Amino acid sequence: SQTIHQWPATLVQPVGSPLSLECTVEGTSNPNLYWYRQAAGRGLQLLFYSVGIGQISSEVPQNLSASRPQDRQFILSSKKLLLSDSGFYLCACRRDSYNSPLHFGNGTRLTVT
Amino acid sequence: AQSVTQLDSQVPVFEEAPVELRCNYSSSVSVYLFWYVQYPNQGLQLLLKYLSGSTLVKGINGFEAEFNKSQTSFHLRKPSVHISDTAEYFCAVSRYSGTYKYIFGTGTRLKVLA
Repeated sequence: SQTIHQWPATLVQPVGSPLSLECTVEGTSNPNLYWYRQAAGRGLQLLFYSVGIGQISSEVPQNLSASRPQDRQFILSSKKLLLSDSGFYLCACRRDSYNSPLHFGNGTRLTVT
Repeated sequence: AQSVTQLDSQVPVFEEAPVELRCNYSSSVSVYLFWYVQYPNQGLQLLLKYLSGSTLVKGINGFEAEFNKSQTSFHLRKPSVHISDTAEYFCAVSRYSGTYKYIFGTGTRLKVLA
């Protein structure tokens, strides 16, 4: 079965600092990968998804970017954090099959101060 | 555009009582439906999924959900809840658009009272 590793678990960063969150996947090859952000009371917002190495699709315009340098590695970045970037960031993956559900990592709680 | 509505933001219920968490979706095309559970400071865990076939779907931890196409609903039920079921529950739909995209509701916080 798939295992998703996210780190760090918590992060406190000042406004204007850079960000790099990493997600790696075990137990499957060529997965579809996703970054979601969860804000209190607002459900999950899809930020980026990737169907393969170097293939990134952005769902909403924002201060963040994503990269997929390896098949099972997905990175979320920012050059300069804003207060509004605070939230709970979740990496998710699924096998490239119609009946495969999303599986989530344990998330990174980011607080921008 | 697709959307998922979870009308109840919080549902308090006493231990061993039944519970229903409501989910309605809007979509002009066929979708796949899911329920996830989230415990504090953790990721989401899949409870159950509906892809096709029988409209009554059974999942983990004694939960089940019924797909109702005419009412565009996918309500989650459990006949007898435990304290350990206290968590946030998310309904989601997915459809194919380049990849399978998942749209989540805003969640329902289930609080089981002793």
